[in-house]
Parts: sequence; C-alpha cells; structure tokens
Amino acid sequence: GAGVSQSPSNKVTEKGKDVELRCDPISGHTALYWYRQSLGQGLEFLIYFQGNSAPDKSGLPSDRFSAERTGGSVSTLTIQRTQQEDSAVYLCASSLPGQGYSPLHFGNGTRLTVT
Amino acid sequence: SQKIEQNSEALNIQEGKTATLTCNYTNYSPAYLQWYRQDPGRGPVFLLLIRENEKEKRKERLKVTFDTTLKQSLFHITASQPADSATYLCALDRPNTGFQKLVFGTGTRLLVSP
Repeated sequence: GAGVSQSPSNKVTEKGKDVELRCDPISGHTALYWYRQSLGQGLEFLIYFQGNSAPDKSGLPSDRFSAERTGGSVSTLTIQRTQQEDSAVYLCASSLPGQGYSPLHFGNGTRLTVT
Repeated sequence: SQKIEQNSEALNIQEGKTATLTCNYTNYSPAYLQWYRQDPGRGPVFLLLIRENEKEKRKERLKVTFDTTLKQSLFHITASQPADSATYLCALDRPNTGFQKLVFGTGTRLLVSP
C-alpha cells in the first residue's frame, strides 16, 4: 500500500520567505509526527497529532513554526520568515494508535534550503 | 534530558561478517527501544522494537539486545551483505509523555564491503 507521502521533496527559499510543507499519512494512521533532521544531528521532534486531540507542540523551536492537520489526515507544517538555521530535512511520520509501541512510518522528507 | 550515544564513526566490515552497533543512553530507562535503518535521501525505516523486560529480540539476520543495567542496546547483523550498508538509528521512548515521543540517536553508518 501507499506509504507516507511528503511534498515537495526539495524546497529552496530565500531568507524571510514563508514555506509550507505537506504530509499525507498512511490511511488509517491517526497519529502523525513531524521531525527535523539537520546534518550530523539526530531527529528532532517538532509536533505530534493524535486524532482530534490538541496537538503536542512542545518541540516547535519558535513561534515561526506552526502545523495543522485537517480532517485528521493531511498535515501542513508552515515556517514563517525562514532563517538559514531552518535549513534541514523535515520528516513526517505516521503510526497506528495504541499503547505507544507502534513503529513510526516515515516519509522521505522535504529538504529545505534557506539561502 | 535523555542523551543517546551512537558511534559517529562509520563501521566498515567485510561481507559475511557480523556487524555490531551500539546504542548507549543516560538518565531514565525507556520502556522500549527501537532500531531504524536510514538510506541516503530516504526516511528512516523501522526494523525492530525491544521492550525493557526483554533481553533479546531476533528477526531474520537481525538481533537486538537490551541491557537496562548497562543502559545499552546492541544491534547485530549476521552474515552481512553490501545491501545492509546504511545508517542505523536507535530511538527511545519518553515515559509518561502520553504518546510515543521518541528520542533518536544520530545514527551509525555501516559500510559492508564485498
């Protein structure tokens, strides 16, 4: 079946511009995560959605970052007034709901470059 | 906060040998630990999960051990193949977060030579 789909795969933007990154999770997966992976760094948790519950935004690095999930499916991560330190690969993952032991299914990420 | 250490240097081995990768953590003991494989330009792919009350888990040529006393997990690939070349990430859960808020290590790159 189809996996997690992310678009665009690559995005180059100028400093100060806003960007939107999209994630299509696996059908039936109610849990959705955004992670960021910088060169030489581990995956950094950004935000988590579970069903209709309020998202856990504790990993968002600044108020320039926001995310929403419409209809419990597609999610959009928005970065406003991008900075060069925002350059990274943004990974989306989804999983089945459960007791916390469900493996994450990742998309191939969006590589963001801020010039 | 939890700190995860994986060998940042690449591990080079010959085809057919057993590769052993290490994941060390500090602070709290996780309820479970997961291993993922990541190829260049791709997202991580789940391989194995081991719970705190399990000493060892196997899947085909893969074996994971979990020593909560040493705060260490070892990931073994037996009869390694060039196709096993990739970066391997370990990830730990954060207890009592209400969801699977995994903390990932930076990964170890494995290179298997024919």
